[in-house]
Amino acid sequence: NAGVTQTPKFQVLKTGQSMTLQCAQDMNHEYMSWYRQDPGMGLRLIHYSVGAGITDQGEVPNGYNVSRSTTEDFPLRLLSAAPSQTSVYFCASSYSGTGGLSQYFGPGTRLLVL
Amino acid sequence: RKEVEQDPGPFNVPEGATVAFNCTYSNSASQSFFWYRQDCRKEPKLLMSVYSSGNEDGRFTAQLNRASQYISLLIRDSKLSDSATYLCVVNKGTGGSYIPTFGRGTSLIVHP
Repeated sequence: NAGVTQTPKFQVLKTGQSMTLQCAQDMNHEYMSWYRQDPGMGLRLIHYSVGAGITDQGEVPNGYNVSRSTTEDFPLRLLSAAPSQTSVYFCASSYSGTGGLSQYFGPGTRLLVL
Repeated sequence: RKEVEQDPGPFNVPEGATVAFNCTYSNSASQSFFWYRQDCRKEPKLLMSVYSSGNEDGRFTAQLNRASQYISLLIRDSKLSDSATYLCVVNKGTGGSYIPTFGRGTSLIVHP
């Protein structure tokens, strides 16, 4: 199993550009989520999905879109990049059993917006 | 008040020491609790779940105090390899739709 994979590992964008961060998992998990991690801020939830066709907003959704057409993939789109979106982005997946949510994270995408 | 709070540290301890971290949460409806470990410039990795009865995994012990709304992590016989940031996570929600909230993490440095 590859677990959770993310591409690209690094990206530099100019203000106003758009891009898609890719995330895929091969564990057949229903729950997938996107976080951003900034120094001193911890991980903040951007969007999440409880299954194919279902997405919802997290704590910091503005400027980002998601879709979930398959169980495996959960791409994150930046519509018009801004310097404030410079961050490390982590995708995670989990089996949301009755025990709650123990998540498996991808290696992250480091994004710099100039 | 932040929903999930942790002392950022760093906690600087010698090898072999016992160290404990606390994490407080404000939402009494929180359902499940976890500790994650994050090494520098790496992704977080699940360390252990936290149950009301307390649970132990080798040198690590996690406990939940619902009345006082905090969880704790105790590390015994610290190793150099335990140096990392420890994140607590509090989940709210039910029925497969959970909203996780992460603390900002506590930094641990274990020195020789």
